[in-house]
Amino acid sequence: QKEVEQNSGPLSVPEGAIASLNCTYSDRVSQSFFWYRQYSGKSPELIMSIYSNGDKEDGRFTAQLNKASQYVSLLIRDSQPSDSATYLCAVTGRETGGFKTIFGAGTRLFVKA
Amino acid sequence: DGGITQSPKYLFRKEGQNVTLSCEQNLNHDAMYWYRQDPGQGLRLIYYSQIVNDFQKGDIAEGYSVSREKKESFPLTVTSAQKNPTAFYLCASSIGSGSLYNEQFFGPGTRLTVL
Repeated sequence: QKEVEQNSGPLSVPEGAIASLNCTYSDRVSQSFFWYRQYSGKSPELIMSIYSNGDKEDGRFTAQLNKASQYVSLLIRDSQPSDSATYLCAVTGRETGGFKTIFGAGTRLFVKA
Repeated sequence: DGGITQSPKYLFRKEGQNVTLSCEQNLNHDAMYWYRQDPGQGLRLIYYSQIVNDFQKGDIAEGYSVSREKKESFPLTVTSAQKNPTAFYLCASSIGSGSLYNEQFFGPGTRLTVL
């Protein structure tokens, strides 16, 4: 059974700091990784996808993937109060009959002004 | 505008009632999904469909039913057999589930409450 683990938080950082969010997964054949942002009472919004080892940058967001250690992280530079949300990690891997995506429970981030 | 719509935004169910949640997408996506989210928990897959007229059970399908008669539509019925249906229900779609590059995009959700 594939599992995706995240620290539930809350992770509190001051405005302008770097927020670091981590996610570990149990299935070694997992191959696609996604970060979603979910504001309270709203639906998840895709913010980053990463498929190969290393870093992927998009604006203030950097996703880091290390398949050997089975973790994926999201860095948010110059954190803003508007970044306060729950961040969900999702992992897709091959299973019998196709592919399956598992979501973590999310990490709550609070950016203090 | 392309996107996924869900209705209603809020839904109240009495004990013993069946209720149907609507999900429509105009993204021309083949795959559609229904998830349930409870406070402090991740998204749990109820049902998914890779193509019209075909769907598969997810991890928590008991007490739910779906249909996929059109590519754009994937309604979810919460039956009276679902004993604890109060939750936030999310519909998502992706280009196709037969790929690793399976970015899922979500609708705004329906919040269901049992009275």
